[in-house]
Amino acid sequence: GAGVSQSPRYKVAKRGQDVALRCDPISGHVSLFWYQQALGQGPEFLTYFQNEAQLDKSGLPSDRFFAERPEGSVSTLKIQRTQQEDSAVYLCASSLAGTKNIQYFGAGTRLSVL
Amino acid sequence: KNQVEQSPQSLIILEGKNCTLQCNYTVSPFSNLRWYKQDTGRGPVSLTIMTFSENTKSNGRYTATLDADTKQSSLHITASQLSDSASYICVVSERTGTASKLTFGTGTRLQVTL
Repeated sequence: GAGVSQSPRYKVAKRGQDVALRCDPISGHVSLFWYQQALGQGPEFLTYFQNEAQLDKSGLPSDRFFAERPEGSVSTLKIQRTQQEDSAVYLCASSLAGTKNIQYFGAGTRLSVL
Repeated sequence: KNQVEQSPQSLIILEGKNCTLQCNYTVSPFSNLRWYKQDTGRGPVSLTIMTFSENTKSNGRYTATLDADTKQSSLHITASQLSDSASYICVVSERTGTASKLTFGTGTRLQVTL
């Protein structure tokens, strides 16, 4: 595709509900990143994949957050038992290889937990 | 903890005027510094990326400078246009053994008016 595609663009969840956010990276991009961006703040790193391998998940805030990229392309970020503090924009980015290349960001998924 | 601080937090300028945004960082060991532009409701878009040895880099009307000794960077926007209204985020990459980690600033919100 032309760019990084994320879906849904907006998600409203009731507290305690599970959600799944999808990211379609740019075709051929080896590396994929997830970030969490609170209102008025810069993005904060969540996790990083190289192909299907999750090389760094140090930014995941709790064990309710889980990310996967089973075939090395599309990735899903799952949040279980959502809480109000999970409300944020979740950004996905991809790059050609490694973490030193330019990252291309998707438009994000805005999650609101009521 | 590695930090990236940006100033001013927000800025309003008239169309056609120039402006300079500042970024100070404490990230170490340093790998590279990036400036991103983020339109409201969109993902960040890369403007420039500079390594340790680069002092300045231009991208159209955007010129970034880097002083790795004082750990400061600036983004200068020349002859501003209404479309420059966005958040500008400074991102510093930390050099690690196998990969680099990105630390994002909170951004400077620029508004260009008539």
